[in-house]
Amino acid sequence: QKEVEQDPGPLSVPEGAIVSLNCTYSNSAFQYFMWYRQYSRKGPELLMYTYSSGNKEDGRFTAQVDKSSKYISLFIRDSQPSDSATYLCAMSSSQGGKLIFGQGTELSVKP
Amino acid sequence: GAVVSQHPSRVICKSGTSVKIECRSLDFQATTMFWYRQFPKQSLMLMATSNEGSKATYEQGVEKDKFLINHASLTLSTLTVTSAHPEDSSFYICSASGLAADNEQFFGPGTRLTVL
Repeated sequence: QKEVEQDPGPLSVPEGAIVSLNCTYSNSAFQYFMWYRQYSRKGPELLMYTYSSGNKEDGRFTAQVDKSSKYISLFIRDSQPSDSATYLCAMSSSQGGKLIFGQGTELSVKP
Repeated sequence: GAVVSQHPSRVICKSGTSVKIECRSLDFQATTMFWYRQFPKQSLMLMATSNEGSKATYEQGVEKDKFLINHASLTLSTLTVTSAHPEDSSFYICSASGLAADNEQFFGPGTRLTVL
């Protein structure tokens, strides 16, 4: 069993839809949870960073962490074609420490 | 956020040659740098972690004699793929973190290596 599981998709939605992306994990030591966006042939770009459980909102993006269920989510409201990319969840047990990535979900937002 | 650069962005080489990839933190001192490998449609897999001035720590299954990592300064780390073979063809990405950057990992743009 992988430490972090993420549905690779692909996921295709119409412009303006709400997108829900999810990861599950098995290591209860994870305390730091991140979502990265990666465009084709580019390095990952940090979108959201959350410590422990709870919600965090930044513009159209909302990250949720449920440590009791070992489940994290990223919601994208009013999705745009420019949101089309691969979204990777990542987690770590220490700040600045080793990151364990999910496989990434490929998202396509159609105009 | 902080900026991390990689050079070259793309390299094509013949089997058996060595290739060096540079990773630089441009506006902060990176006490730790990480090297990842990403195959098509797959996630980032950590290869090694390097701290400035000390030997790199390699992940299980990564050959340290094949993937030489040097982190000689707080702004530069290099990855040398020695005697490259076609199976080493991949997307190599570095990240850097430091106290001034709240220990967050900032990623470089990646280097696509193709071994013929």
